[in-house]
Amino acid sequence: KQEVTQIPAALSVPEGENLVLNCSFTDSAIYNLQWFRQDPGKGLTSLLLIQSSQREQTSGRLNASLDKSSGRSTLYIAASQPGDSATYLCAVSPTGNQFYFGTGTSLTVIP
Amino acid sequence: GAVVSQHPSWVICKSGTSVKIECRSLDFQATTMFWYRQFPKQSLMLMATSNEGSKATYEQGVEKDKFLINHASLTLSTLTVTSAHPEDSSFYICSARDGTGEETQYFGPGTRLLVL
Repeated sequence: KQEVTQIPAALSVPEGENLVLNCSFTDSAIYNLQWFRQDPGKGLTSLLLIQSSQREQTSGRLNASLDKSSGRSTLYIAASQPGDSATYLCAVSPTGNQFYFGTGTSLTVIP
Repeated sequence: GAVVSQHPSWVICKSGTSVKIECRSLDFQATTMFWYRQFPKQSLMLMATSNEGSKATYEQGVEKDKFLINHASLTLSTLTVTSAHPEDSSFYICSARDGTGEETQYFGPGTRLLVL
């Protein structure tokens, strides 16, 4: 069964810093990988979707990379802002349908 | 972008009662919807896959007789927690995939269930 791990579990950085969140998965046979943001008590906001054939995706200050063969993905956040504070979830899909989620990284950006 | 709604957003009920949660795709048809559960400080866990017009597929360890799923139309799936107990208290989130083949899944805002 696919297992998804995220490191670190929590991260606190001063405003303006660049940061990297890590995600690893045990089964490299994935269809796609998606990064989400979850604010406390709220649902999910999709940030970036990477297809299995892609190496990276970018949206604004966010860049996500995928190394399928090694079972890793990273989410790079440039010039962090207090509004970026949230839990970031990595999820992999074996077929493009259901997702298997990581445990999340709780990010706090200090003004 | 596509929107998925859930109703209710909050529900508190007594132990032993049944609770129905609705998941609707508002501007697209979803042949498949997914139900997830999230316990405090844990990640989302897939419970079941809901297919329009057929039986749901449940993940291992999820009781199909306790969590009844009905996907009667292309825009609506319901999850009924039967004879709810305090340990069923959780955050339930649904997602839907556009039936036209778009890859992105759209997640609902979630329903927080508290069983007293």
